Amino acid sequence: DAKTTQPTSMDCAEGRAANLPCNHSTISGNEYVYWYRQIHSQGPQYIIHGLKNNETNEMASLIITEDRKSSTLILPHATLRDTAVYYCIVRVHNQGAQKLVFGQGTRLTINP
Amino acid sequence: DAGVIQSPRHEVTEMGQEVTLRCKPISGHNSLFWYRQTMMRGLELLIYFNNNVPIDDSGMPEDRFSAKMPNASFSTLKIQPSEPRDSAVYFCASSPTTGIQPQHFGDGTRLSIL
Repeated sequence: DAKTTQPTSMDCAEGRAANLPCNHSTISGNEYVYWYRQIHSQGPQYIIHGLKNNETNEMASLIITEDRKSSTLILPHATLRDTAVYYCIVRVHNQGAQKLVFGQGTRLTINP
Repeated sequence: DAGVIQSPRHEVTEMGQEVTLRCKPISGHNSLFWYRQTMMRGLELLIYFNNNVPIDDSGMPEDRFSAKMPNASFSTLKIQPSEPRDSAVYFCASSPTTGIQPQHFGDGTRLSIL
């Protein structure tokens, strides 16, 4: 699976949009981009995933560049409960379940 | 809907004792994963099963660790004998096998080996 690079930490003001970048310059054509987050003392929580089109769900939006070498997770109106470590993961899909390889992630702190 | 259920939530035991961690995946999910999280190594996959069969156990640290999945609704991770360096949070996750469905994680077992 392709390696990802994320900033170690970020801060964002409550109510503002939080934009979390991820570089995956060696991504292959059949690899998806996944985002998970881990709130303190809890298990990782799935947020969103995409292949090449931008995606949006009730939690966040995912913007993938045209060359697919980077992406941005957007939390449109961050709240204090969004404080967590955010993981960007790329993985290929084929028959059978696929393992996730977690990096160090970005520690996002939402400030009041 | 019930999520992935792990037990116990916390375990404290002495070095050399056998430790058994338990996991009940989400009903209908065919894949089950065991992860370990430490400050030093982060979150790492230990083993995963498809349809109760172990597929990849390359992350299991050594022979003291073993995992079983006797049926679709139950899995165990056993450490025997336990050592202080096994102290970590152990997570279980499950997902449907096919497609691009995400993994769903339990709340973990915090293990402390004294």
